[in-house]
Amino acid sequence: SQQGEEDPQALSIQEGENATMNCSYKTSINNLQWYRQNSGRGLVHLILIRSNEREKHSGRLRVTLDTSKKSSSLLITASRAADTASYFCATVPPGDYKLSFGAGTTVTVRA
Amino acid sequence: NAGVTQTPKFRVLKTGQSMTLLCAQDMNHEYMYWYRQDPGMGLRLIHYSVGEGTTAKGEVPDGYNVSRLKKQNFLLGLESAAPSQTSVYFCASSVDGSEQYFGPGTRLTVT
Repeated sequence: SQQGEEDPQALSIQEGENATMNCSYKTSINNLQWYRQNSGRGLVHLILIRSNEREKHSGRLRVTLDTSKKSSSLLITASRAADTASYFCATVPPGDYKLSFGAGTTVTVRA
Repeated sequence: NAGVTQTPKFRVLKTGQSMTLLCAQDMNHEYMYWYRQDPGMGLRLIHYSVGEGTTAKGEVPDGYNVSRLKKQNFLLGLESAAPSQTSVYFCASSVDGSEQYFGPGTRLTVT
């Protein structure tokens, strides 16, 4: 069963705009990770946030985590055409090392 | 470093045929994973390994077998392929069970 659920399923934005996507999960976690998948390619790790962290930044990416609401958000600022991809959240339970993926958010950045 | 490589990239099988997918990593990672990705869904874990000589079942192991005879290789076998196994298969590796590095995928069609 999939632990995480992303919202929205699809997002279309203009180049230069910000893109925000959310992930909700059901059980407690050790950490939550975000991955990007370009069409026809493998997944690429973007960022990991641990359960005791509330916010993390990496370049144009900002991730927040609210363990009380069992939710996370990924913000991509100043989007570019190259950001067009599917984005997946994945959770790791405490004491475990297996990822449980959501179904993903497909982001299209229009030039 | 090549990272994580998968062979073959594409394969078409007839129902009942068998095949082996090979995953190789050159990062000296202990953990290796096999996933399948179906349209509209996130990745689902088939089998995984926490070290050379060890394997364990994931979320959807039925119809698949795996072996990890060498640390750098993780093989996924289909003994008797079925149309329901038509999917894209991804291999991943991890140094400590957190961030995972993915291969480019194998697109398998079973007719």
